[in-house]
Amino acid sequence: GNSVTQMQGQVTLSEEEFLFINCTYSTTGYPTLFWYVQYPGEGPQLLLKVTTANNKGSSRGFEATYDKGTTSFHLQKASVQESDSAVYYCVLGPLYYGGSGNKLIFGTGTLLSVKP
Amino acid sequence: GPKVLQIPSHQIIDMGQMVTLNCDPVSNHLYFYWYKQILGQQMEFLVNFYNGKVMEKSKLFKDQFSVERPDGSYFTLKIQPTALEDSAVYFCASSRDTNTEVFFGKGTRLTVV
Repeated sequence: GNSVTQMQGQVTLSEEEFLFINCTYSTTGYPTLFWYVQYPGEGPQLLLKVTTANNKGSSRGFEATYDKGTTSFHLQKASVQESDSAVYYCVLGPLYYGGSGNKLIFGTGTLLSVKP
Repeated sequence: GPKVLQIPSHQIIDMGQMVTLNCDPVSNHLYFYWYKQILGQQMEFLVNFYNGKVMEKSKLFKDQFSVERPDGSYFTLKIQPTALEDSAVYFCASSRDTNTEVFFGKGTRLTVV
């Protein structure tokens, strides 16, 4: 079945350090992949989206590259800030638009704590 | 940006009673969703809803669950009767189309005692 795997449950960094969060996925075909971020007391919000058409997405200094060969979709940022502290979810989107009504499959999330 | 509002933010209810969770989706959105997150676990899809009908539901969407959006009012999730394992945070979400961004509310924390 369709699934995403985030092995890192928690990452702790100091400001200006490099962030790298692993994500692998399992599905058939060519999915759309997302990273969502959830701040304390809030719902998840879209951070960035990548499709097979462009293979890479970026937003607010974060980047993710989609590698179909290794079925990976890692998130990275060159220099984190304390305000980046949040839970980051790797999310698998629908294979075919319209059929599944945009059902999202969430990974288990990675809690990022950035110390000043 | 667009906001999805959820009311109430926290609900405590006795096991066996009925509860209704309310959601005010983004105004021009047509697709509505409920997700469930048990404390410390991942977000899981429950159901999506379009044009007055359930499009897809997961195994978590038990027979005791129902959704509706009568005449453009709140999009609701009703649980009747509630069980202890229904305790979780329930997130409502909406999107304009099936291939556009999904916006989430802040969630309703349901505690069944």
